Amino acid sequence: GQNIDQPTEMTATEGAIVQINCTYQTSGFNGLFWYQQHAGEAPTFLSYNVLDGLEEKGRFSSFLSRSKGYSYLLLKELQMKDSASYLCAVSYRDSNYQLIWGAGTKLIIKP
Amino acid sequence: ETGVTQTPRHLVMGMTNKKSLKCEQHLGHNAMYWYKQSAKKPLELMFVYNFKEQTENNSVPSRFSPECPNSSHLFLHLHTLQPEDSALYLCASSRDRDNQPQHFGDGTRLSIL
Repeated sequence: GQNIDQPTEMTATEGAIVQINCTYQTSGFNGLFWYQQHAGEAPTFLSYNVLDGLEEKGRFSSFLSRSKGYSYLLLKELQMKDSASYLCAVSYRDSNYQLIWGAGTKLIIKP
Repeated sequence: ETGVTQTPRHLVMGMTNKKSLKCEQHLGHNAMYWYKQSAKKPLELMFVYNFKEQTENNSVPSRFSPECPNSSHLFLHLHTLQPEDSALYLCASSRDRDNQPQHFGDGTRLSIL
């Protein structure tokens, strides 16, 4: 099967930096998405990676290594409002481009 | 963001009831999706519609019946549900089906008594 693995929960301090990892099976890989979901709200799109390297968007960056089947989401200058679940999702060619989702990483920010 | 609107936000129903969930997108997208989200589990894709045509049905029980009358509206008809069907049901849309970011509604929290 095509499992997407990410840590269940992480804790970080306001103002700090946190890295959330995601690993996936590489066969048929076609792209990787990161979403943010606050409790009781809709997931919202954060980033998309299809080529190796780092994509930066303000305080958030996402990295991809296709050969290693590895991505991370880097959050800088953490704010309390960043407390949320972060979902990693991968598109595979042989799954008709459907997104395969990880279970999400719950990020808790402490003052 | 109100690009994708779902109603109702909360629904409590008995196992013998029939109800429908509604989704509407105002983004001009061509693809729409139904997902089931249970606590601490990955999002489960249920149905995909592309240009109003159903393209995916991921082994979903027949007690869930989708309907897509046009590319802006999507329904999920429910009948004789089971307690394990209690979950958050999310609707999403994307410009096209392939590798486009999906925009989600806030979901319907469904509880089966």
